[in-house]
Amino acid sequence: EVQLVESGGGLVQPGRSLRLSCVVSGFTFEDYAMHWVRQVPGKGLEWVSGISGESDTIGYADSVKGRFTISRDNAKNSLYLQMNSLKPEDTAFYYCVGQLWSFQWFDPWGQGALVTVSS
Amino acid sequence: QSVLTQPPSASGTPGQRVTISCSGSSSNIGSNTVSWYRQLPGTAPKFLISSNNQRPPGVPDRFSGSKSGTSASLAIRGLQFDDEADYYCAAWDDRLNGHWVFGGGTKLTVL
Repeated sequence: EVQLVESGGGLVQPGRSLRLSCVVSGFTFEDYAMHWVRQVPGKGLEWVSGISGESDTIGYADSVKGRFTISRDNAKNSLYLQMNSLKPEDTAFYYCVGQLWSFQWFDPWGQGALVTVSS
Repeated sequence: QSVLTQPPSASGTPGQRVTISCSGSSSNIGSNTVSWYRQLPGTAPKFLISSNNQRPPGVPDRFSGSKSGTSASLAIRGLQFDDEADYYCAAWDDRLNGHWVFGGGTKLTVL
């Protein structure tokens, strides 16, 4: 069974940091580029960051560039998102998402972790 | 404001055929595959279909995807009550070192 389980979400004050983790099972992790996609409750989807299977290609949305860092550990089947200098507008559900290297779509998706940035 | 443009809402009655559009530009839809996602209330999005009609297991062939120029469409025939959901399109955008872009989403109501 394919599973992506995010953890590390919660309430954090503006300017502070938070680290999200995603543990994957049920597919060959290193064959997949991995991404973080976020969704403000009640709003649409926004791509945040992505990393290739061997971590040699990394990209960020302009809204998080310089503040967020994506990484992965293939030995632990894990994806991470280090979020620094958090802003209230970063409040959202953060989904861990896979993308098989040869396909241009996001599949599978995790259940999401809620990050709330508020004082 | 989303890079890809979708109508905010769509509706139909059971058995009807409904289409949802997704409009972009030459740097995204015009040169890359478009994917569609369905999100039921309180759940994570799930991949539904691509613009070249690739579907994950379990998605019926009532759903079809297509693309022409800088626009894409999702068609649902034989509409059912449990098709009521939010639908999003997405594509890779070649500009600015490359990044993924989404549509704003379309809420489909089955009347």
